[in-house]
Amino acid sequence: DSGVTQTPKHLITATGQRVTLRCSPRSGDLSVYWYQQSLDQGLQFLIQYYNGEERAKGNILERFSAQQFPDLHSELNLSSLELGDSALYFCASRGPVRTEAFFGQGTRLTVV
Amino acid sequence: GIQVEQSPPDLILQEGANSTLRCNFSDSVNNLQWFHQNPWGQLINLFYIPSGTKQNGRLSATTVATERYSLLYISSSQTTDSGVYFCAVEQSNFGNEKLTFGTGTRLTIIP
Repeated sequence: DSGVTQTPKHLITATGQRVTLRCSPRSGDLSVYWYQQSLDQGLQFLIQYYNGEERAKGNILERFSAQQFPDLHSELNLSSLELGDSALYFCASRGPVRTEAFFGQGTRLTVV
Repeated sequence: GIQVEQSPPDLILQEGANSTLRCNFSDSVNNLQWFHQNPWGQLINLFYIPSGTKQNGRLSATTVATERYSLLYISSSQTTDSGVYFCAVEQSNFGNEKLTFGTGTRLTIIP
């Protein structure tokens, strides 16, 4: 158990819908990262938050947004879903810079 | 951005065999991690190894940061070692603290 909790584990939804993925980081970790793993794209960095503020942004679509709350949990919102958004979405957390990052079990999103 | 390449892309071995997985990266890094993604999709931490050598049971890893590569050694393979092995690197500049993942090595251990 990495200590990073993601919910839900599985999600099936229709095109055009909106979903929210949730991540609780390890106790004391201020940084949260979101990654997308598609079959043909590998693990792609989406966005990072540090202590409630956006820190770094990757190739995150405008239809996607995220935030980190005062209790440090984070949510990734995906809207106007398309078939191509089907993927495994991972959250990771870490402590200070240059320390080990730990990943949650992922949320498997299927858009039908 | 930094490029991370892993080789070989696929590896099929008999149980009990040894293997070496390689990770090359195109620029200097401050952080390097090895992960195992099991058949259920979980990403499991193997090593945090920005430089030097570490061992954990049948697994060991070496990173030569000056030459921009890392190696993961698996000895006496077991079927539970099957899955995809990723290396991920970070350059740790402020505002650029993400891990960039390699393309992975898919390891299949045959009983």
